[in-house]
Amino acid sequence: AQTVTQSQPEMSVQEAETVTLSCTYDTSESDYYLFWYKQPPSRQMILVIRQEAYKQQNATENRFSVNFQKAAKSFSLKISDSQLGDAAMYFCALRNFNKFYFGSGTKLNVKP
Amino acid sequence: GAGVSQSPSNKVTEKGKDVELRCDPISGHTALYWYRQSLGQGLEFLIYFQGNSAPDKSGLPSDRFSAERTGGSVSTLTIQRTQQEDSAVYLCASSLGQGGAYEQYFGPGTRLTVT
Repeated sequence: AQTVTQSQPEMSVQEAETVTLSCTYDTSESDYYLFWYKQPPSRQMILVIRQEAYKQQNATENRFSVNFQKAAKSFSLKISDSQLGDAAMYFCALRNFNKFYFGSGTKLNVKP
Repeated sequence: GAGVSQSPSNKVTEKGKDVELRCDPISGHTALYWYRQSLGQGLEFLIYFQGNSAPDKSGLPSDRFSAERTGGSVSTLTIQRTQQEDSAVYLCASSLGQGGAYEQYFGPGTRLTVT
């Protein structure tokens, strides 16, 4: 069975500071992909960043980066220089074959 | 280009009525997914279509739920004899293909309220 766990229901960060959102997962497969999605209050989900499990190098997209620890099955998201527009629900997702498995989400608040 | 669209954006229905939710995926996307998102929860997989293959219906919670995808494009999710626990946001997503690192592109969702 595939599971994705986000243990932080809600987090807050001061504008311009750095925050890390945690995600752990469980899968018996060796070939899979990991994603972080953002869902602003308007509710349309958008992709933030993705990581191929076979790549050791951590993915980076501008202010967003991941810390992928394959052995520990951990996939955390770091947001640097947080902006007010980063406030949203963040979902960690695991793709195995044709299915996506989502965590329960972390609500990120950004304080001005 | 146009993204994934869903209609209606909001639907209020009485318990026991049937509802149809529509999804228009991005043109050329062969994979289409339906999810249910209850308040404050993550996404619950419902059903997956890939090209002309038989859909993966393993996530449908009961036989009151069904979905079709006509012509490999538009999809309709039907909920028969709605119950209050069906109240949720129903999200549709499409993807360019299966496997690989294909990401999903999500629609804005349909908020269903069963009274």
